[in-house]
Amino acid sequence: EAQVTQNPRYLITVTGKKLTVTCSQNMNHEYMSWYRQDPGLGLRQIYYSMNVEVTDKGDVPEGYKVSRKEKRNFPLILESPSPNQTSLYFCASSLNTDTQYFGPGTRLTVL
Amino acid sequence: GQQVMQIPQYQHVQEGEDFTTYCNSSTTLSNIQWYKQRPGGHPVFLIQLVKSGEVKKQKRLTFQFGEAKKNSSLHITATQTTDVGTYFCAAHNTNAGKSTFGDGTTLTVKP
Repeated sequence: EAQVTQNPRYLITVTGKKLTVTCSQNMNHEYMSWYRQDPGLGLRQIYYSMNVEVTDKGDVPEGYKVSRKEKRNFPLILESPSPNQTSLYFCASSLNTDTQYFGPGTRLTVL
Repeated sequence: GQQVMQIPQYQHVQEGEDFTTYCNSSTTLSNIQWYKQRPGGHPVFLIQLVKSGEVKKQKRLTFQFGEAKKNSSLHITATQTTDVGTYFCAAHNTNAGKSTFGDGTTLTVKP
């Protein structure tokens, strides 16, 4: 089944403790992207990747890192999480930046 | 950067009434996409519009792209309870990969 998977789905952590949210897609898509969703603010793009080893900042990249070593994986790294990074995170992939397929989301709480 | 405004933020309708959400950009868009997110779910792609003045239909849903490619609308005829959710428009910079979402319109339908 074609899908985008994210892990973990839920995470509660403390300020400053490094964490990684994994994202994987099995559709051989070149484009992948991370978004955060906050009430009243819609979806805001954090980082995106047009292909392996190519990543670019979205609108809200501060406090996040990404890597794209393989086509199927696009992990989101928070080196030192802070409470303002408490949010719902979505990973998405696309063949040509057209139809984006979203993962199920990761709800992160930073205390 | 590119901004996409979406109105209204909320819409409450009686089942059977029509619903419209509007998306406006200050800049000319290369394309516009529409997504639906059910409560507790992830965004799901509905459609992409590319051409000036384009109109596309999916059963009770009608999507329009303005002549100047700066605005778009989604109209639902005779809403049903299954239409409940948040509808997002999204503008993609196809060459650069950047993606900007509107804040969404949350539709509730009273049976």
